[in-house]
Amino acid sequence: DAKTTQPPSMDCAEGRAANLPCNHSTISGNEYVYWYRQIHSQGPQYIIHGLKNNETNEMASLIITEDRKSSTLILPHATLRDTAVYYCIVRVALSQGGSEKLVFGKGTKLTVNP
Amino acid sequence: EAQVTQNPRYLITVTGKKLTVTCSQNMNHEYMSWYRQDPGLGLRQIYYSMNVEVTDKGDVPEGYKVSRKEKRNFPLILESPSPNQTSLYFCASRGLAGLDTQYFGPGTRLTVL
Repeated sequence: DAKTTQPPSMDCAEGRAANLPCNHSTISGNEYVYWYRQIHSQGPQYIIHGLKNNETNEMASLIITEDRKSSTLILPHATLRDTAVYYCIVRVALSQGGSEKLVFGKGTKLTVNP
Repeated sequence: EAQVTQNPRYLITVTGKKLTVTCSQNMNHEYMSWYRQDPGLGLRQIYYSMNVEVTDKGDVPEGYKVSRKEKRNFPLILESPSPNQTSLYFCASRGLAGLDTQYFGPGTRLTVL
Protein backbone atom coordinates (compact mmCIF):
# COMPACT_ATOMS: atom_id res chain seq x y z
CA ASP A 1 0.00 0.00 0.00
CA ALA A 2 1.06 3.55 -0.66
CA LYS A 3 2.47 5.23 2.45
CA THR A 4 1.59 8.75 1.38
CA THR A 5 -1.52 10.92 1.44
CA GLN A 6 -2.19 13.54 -1.19
CA PRO A 7 -5.23 15.69 -2.02
CA PRO A 8 -7.11 14.20 -4.95
CA SER A 9 -7.15 17.38 -6.98
CA MET A 10 -5.84 20.93 -7.13
CA ASP A 11 -6.15 23.89 -9.46
CA CYS A 12 -3.55 26.48 -10.31
CA ALA A 13 -3.49 29.56 -12.55
CA GLU A 14 -1.03 29.56 -15.39
CA GLY A 15 2.17 31.39 -14.49
CA ARG A 16 1.62 31.01 -10.76
CA ALA A 17 3.41 28.64 -8.44
CA ALA A 18 1.78 25.27 -7.89
CA ASN A 19 2.34 23.86 -4.40
CA LEU A 20 1.46 20.19 -4.09
CA PRO A 21 1.45 18.77 -0.56
CA CYS A 22 2.16 15.22 0.53
CA ASN A 23 1.87 13.64 3.96
CA HIS A 24 4.15 10.74 4.84
CA SER A 25 3.88 10.60 8.60
CA THR A 26 5.24 7.03 8.87
CA ILE A 27 8.36 7.67 6.83
CA SER A 28 11.45 5.86 8.06
CA GLY A 29 14.84 7.42 8.51
CA ASN A 30 16.29 5.82 5.41
CA GLU A 31 13.34 6.45 3.12
CA TYR A 32 13.48 9.04 0.40
CA VAL A 33 10.62 11.12 -0.95
CA TYR A 34 10.19 10.82 -4.72
CA TRP A 35 7.85 12.71 -7.01
CA TYR A 36 6.66 11.51 -10.41
CA ARG A 37 3.98 12.87 -12.68
CA GLN A 38 1.82 11.32 -15.36
CA ILE A 39 0.43 13.42 -18.16
CA HIS A 40 -2.77 11.94 -19.55
CA SER A 41 -1.98 8.21 -19.71
CA GLN A 42 1.63 8.76 -20.79
CA GLY A 43 4.39 6.98 -18.92
CA PRO A 44 5.14 8.43 -15.49
CA GLN A 45 7.96 10.94 -15.50
CA TYR A 46 10.47 11.42 -12.70
CA ILE A 47 10.53 14.93 -11.26
CA ILE A 48 12.67 15.09 -8.14
CA HIS A 49 13.58 13.28 -4.96
CA GLY A 50 15.08 14.10 -1.56
CA LEU A 51 15.95 12.69 1.84
CA LYS A 52 15.82 15.59 4.29
CA ASN A 53 17.29 18.64 2.63
CA ASN A 54 15.33 20.79 0.25
CA GLU A 55 16.10 20.04 -3.36
CA THR A 56 15.77 21.98 -6.60
CA ASN A 57 16.24 21.02 -10.20
CA GLU A 58 15.19 22.41 -13.55
CA MET A 59 11.66 21.09 -13.15
CA ALA A 60 10.71 21.76 -9.56
CA SER A 61 11.64 22.30 -5.94
CA LEU A 62 11.03 19.89 -3.10
CA ILE A 63 10.55 21.20 0.42
CA ILE A 64 10.69 18.57 3.18
CA THR A 65 9.65 19.51 6.70
CA GLU A 66 12.18 19.16 9.47
CA ASP A 67 10.37 16.18 10.98
CA ARG A 68 10.13 14.68 7.46
CA LYS A 69 6.46 13.85 7.91
CA SER A 70 5.37 15.96 5.00
CA SER A 71 6.72 17.60 1.89
CA THR A 72 5.68 20.03 -0.81
CA LEU A 73 6.47 19.91 -4.48
CA ILE A 74 6.68 23.37 -5.98
CA LEU A 75 6.34 24.12 -9.68
CA PRO A 76 7.46 27.74 -9.66
CA HIS A 77 5.71 28.95 -12.82
CA ALA A 78 3.06 26.45 -13.81
CA THR A 79 2.16 26.11 -17.48
CA LEU A 80 -0.74 24.37 -19.16
CA ARG A 81 1.60 21.47 -19.96
CA ASP A 82 2.05 20.86 -16.24
CA THR A 83 -1.52 19.60 -16.04
CA ALA A 84 -1.01 16.02 -14.86
CA VAL A 85 -1.41 13.59 -11.98
CA TYR A 86 1.43 14.03 -9.49
CA TYR A 87 2.54 11.10 -7.38
CA CYS A 88 4.45 11.32 -4.12
CA ILE A 89 6.27 8.10 -3.22
CA VAL A 90 8.45 7.15 -0.26
CA ARG A 91 11.01 4.40 -0.58
CA VAL A 92 14.38 3.26 0.56
CA ALA A 93 17.12 4.07 -1.91
CA LEU A 94 18.23 1.10 -3.96
CA SER A 95 21.81 1.53 -2.80
CA GLN A 96 20.49 0.79 0.71
CA GLY A 97 18.63 -2.35 -0.30
CA GLY A 98 15.40 -0.64 -1.24
CA SER A 99 12.54 -2.34 -3.02
CA GLU A 100 12.58 -2.73 -6.77
CA LYS A 101 8.96 -1.67 -6.86
CA LEU A 102 7.49 1.81 -6.98
CA VAL A 103 4.17 1.97 -5.13
CA PHE A 104 2.07 4.66 -6.73
CA GLY A 105 -0.90 5.91 -4.76
CA LYS A 106 -3.76 7.83 -6.31
CA GLY A 107 -1.79 11.05 -6.62
CA THR A 108 -3.03 14.62 -7.06
CA LYS A 109 -4.68 15.69 -10.28
CA LEU A 110 -3.28 19.17 -10.94
CA THR A 111 -5.16 21.30 -13.43
CA VAL A 112 -3.42 24.44 -14.64
CA ASN A 113 -5.95 26.95 -15.90
CA PRO A 114 -5.29 29.72 -18.45
CA GLU B 1 17.97 10.39 -27.04
CA ALA B 2 17.59 8.21 -23.94
CA GLN B 3 14.31 6.43 -24.13
CA VAL B 4 12.19 3.38 -23.46
CA THR B 5 10.12 2.24 -26.41
CA GLN B 6 7.14 -0.08 -26.48
CA ASN B 7 5.33 -1.75 -29.33
CA PRO B 8 2.58 -1.83 -30.20
CA ARG B 9 1.12 1.31 -28.65
CA TYR B 10 -2.44 0.10 -29.16
CA LEU B 11 -3.71 -3.45 -29.59
CA ILE B 12 -7.15 -5.00 -29.77
CA THR B 13 -7.19 -8.78 -29.67
CA VAL B 14 -9.44 -11.69 -28.80
CA THR B 15 -9.41 -14.06 -25.87
CA GLY B 16 -6.81 -16.80 -26.15
CA LYS B 17 -4.73 -15.36 -28.96
CA LYS B 18 -1.12 -15.20 -27.84
CA LEU B 19 0.53 -11.80 -28.01
CA THR B 20 3.82 -10.14 -27.16
CA VAL B 21 4.40 -6.53 -26.21
CA THR B 22 7.97 -5.50 -26.81
CA CYS B 23 10.01 -3.15 -24.66
CA SER B 24 13.43 -1.80 -25.49
CA GLN B 25 15.73 0.72 -23.79
CA ASN B 26 18.86 2.41 -25.11
CA MET B 27 20.37 3.45 -21.77
CA ASN B 28 22.23 0.21 -20.99
CA HIS B 29 20.09 -0.18 -17.88
CA GLU B 30 20.31 -3.40 -15.90
CA TYR B 31 16.85 -3.19 -14.35
CA MET B 32 13.62 -3.39 -16.33
CA SER B 33 10.05 -3.78 -15.20
CA TRP B 34 6.47 -4.09 -16.41
CA TYR B 35 3.48 -2.37 -14.83
CA ARG B 36 -0.18 -2.33 -15.59
CA GLN B 37 -2.45 0.59 -14.80
CA ASP B 38 -6.16 0.25 -14.21
CA PRO B 39 -8.69 2.88 -13.09
CA GLY B 40 -8.91 3.05 -9.33
CA LEU B 41 -6.05 0.58 -8.86
CA GLY B 42 -3.08 2.69 -9.87
CA LEU B 43 0.12 1.21 -11.22
CA ARG B 44 0.86 -2.37 -10.27
CA GLN B 45 4.06 -4.22 -11.01
CA ILE B 46 3.79 -7.41 -13.09
CA TYR B 47 7.39 -8.63 -13.45
CA TYR B 48 10.84 -7.17 -13.15
CA SER B 49 14.34 -8.12 -14.20
CA MET B 50 17.58 -7.19 -12.47
CA ASN B 51 19.72 -8.23 -15.43
CA VAL B 52 19.99 -10.62 -18.35
CA GLU B 53 18.40 -13.99 -17.54
CA VAL B 54 17.30 -12.70 -14.10
CA THR B 55 13.56 -12.13 -13.71
CA ASP B 56 11.15 -12.13 -10.80
CA LYS B 57 7.46 -11.74 -10.11
CA GLY B 58 5.88 -8.48 -9.08
CA ASP B 59 2.46 -8.06 -7.51
CA VAL B 60 0.28 -9.31 -10.36
CA PRO B 61 2.23 -11.86 -12.45
CA GLU B 62 -0.62 -14.29 -13.17
CA GLY B 63 -1.29 -14.71 -16.86
CA TYR B 64 1.97 -13.09 -17.95
CA LYS B 65 5.44 -14.26 -18.91
CA VAL B 66 8.62 -12.31 -19.53
CA SER B 67 12.08 -13.03 -20.82
CA ARG B 68 15.38 -11.16 -20.67
CA LYS B 69 17.74 -12.60 -23.21
CA GLU B 70 19.37 -9.28 -24.02
CA LYS B 71 20.04 -6.33 -21.78
CA ARG B 72 18.08 -3.86 -23.88
CA ASN B 73 14.90 -5.91 -24.41
CA PHE B 74 12.24 -7.12 -21.98
CA PRO B 75 9.17 -8.46 -23.80
CA LEU B 76 5.88 -9.13 -22.03
CA ILE B 77 4.10 -12.25 -23.22
CA LEU B 78 0.43 -13.05 -22.78
CA GLU B 79 0.09 -16.73 -23.71
CA SER B 80 -3.69 -16.79 -23.53
CA PRO B 81 -5.07 -13.30 -22.99
CA SER B 82 -8.34 -12.81 -21.17
CA PRO B 83 -10.61 -9.76 -20.89
CA ASN B 84 -9.35 -9.02 -17.37
CA GLN B 85 -5.97 -8.26 -18.91
CA THR B 86 -7.44 -5.29 -20.72
CA SER B 87 -5.30 -2.49 -19.35
CA LEU B 88 -2.67 0.16 -19.97
CA TYR B 89 0.82 -1.36 -19.77
CA PHE B 90 4.07 0.43 -19.04
CA CYS B 91 7.62 -0.76 -19.32
CA ALA B 92 10.29 0.94 -17.23
CA SER B 93 14.05 0.77 -16.82
CA ARG B 94 16.76 2.16 -14.59
CA GLY B 95 20.40 1.68 -13.81
CA LEU B 96 21.57 -0.03 -10.63
CA ALA B 97 24.02 2.61 -9.55
CA GLY B 98 23.59 6.17 -8.41
CA LEU B 99 20.30 7.95 -9.03
CA ASP B 100 17.76 5.17 -9.26
CA THR B 101 14.96 6.95 -11.01
CA GLN B 102 12.92 4.83 -13.35
CA TYR B 103 12.32 5.83 -16.95
CA PHE B 104 8.95 4.78 -18.30
CA GLY B 105 7.90 3.92 -21.82
CA PRO B 106 4.93 5.59 -23.52
CA GLY B 107 2.50 2.80 -22.70
CA THR B 108 0.59 0.11 -24.57
CA ARG B 109 -3.17 0.14 -24.43
CA LEU B 110 -4.41 -3.43 -24.71
CA THR B 111 -8.02 -4.48 -25.20
CA VAL B 112 -8.91 -8.17 -25.01
CA LEU B 113 -12.38 -8.98 -26.34
